[in-house]
Amino acid sequence: TQLLEQSPQFLSIQEGENLTVYCNSSSVFSSLQWYRQEPGEGPVLLVTVVTGGEVKKLKRLTFQFGDARKDSSLHITAAQPGDTGLYLCAGVWNTDKLIFGTGTRLQVFP
Amino acid sequence: DSGVTQTPKHLITATGQRVTLRCSPRSGDLSVYWYQQSLDQGLQFLIQYYNGEERAKGNILERFSAQQFPDLHSELNLSSLELGDSALYFCASSVAVLGDTQYFGPGTRLTVL
Repeated sequence: TQLLEQSPQFLSIQEGENLTVYCNSSSVFSSLQWYRQEPGEGPVLLVTVVTGGEVKKLKRLTFQFGDARKDSSLHITAAQPGDTGLYLCAGVWNTDKLIFGTGTRLQVFP
Repeated sequence: DSGVTQTPKHLITATGQRVTLRCSPRSGDLSVYWYQQSLDQGLQFLIQYYNGEERAKGNILERFSAQQFPDLHSELNLSSLELGDSALYFCASSVAVLGDTQYFGPGTRLTVL
């Protein structure tokens, strides 16, 4: 069974702080996606990383795919209350399965 | 607004019953995916249809079935419902294959009493 473990599970920080969320697996994924989900809504895709070692930036968010394509991280610089939500990583495995991570619930206080 | 619509928004029913959830994909998208999100299991991939044909299967129970119609809308049928089936059910659509960007609908919240 392919599993994607995310850590931490919950994160509560003050506005302006930096944070990193990790997504780890023992399986190799052909690509990995990060989503943010707000209460009452479906997940929204933030980024897709495909190449081992790839780094992508989206404003204050930096995404990295591990060299072995088994893990990924999401770093947020100077977090804002608008970043609050559930962050999910999802790995595309063997081209026909999308496995979602366990999720990280982020709360940013003003 | 993702362009994916799901009905109904909320559904409350009793154990043993059968329900049908409906999804309309974004215009032009050929693939439809169904997911189940519960507090203890997270977001679980159930099944994918591409242009009317089943394409990939995840952790879908035998009591659950889905289909995609010629107009590309999809339905997820849940039967012999159990308390543990209470969850949010999301539909997503993409242009074609699994690795494409998926756009999620707002979900259907199913409560089984």
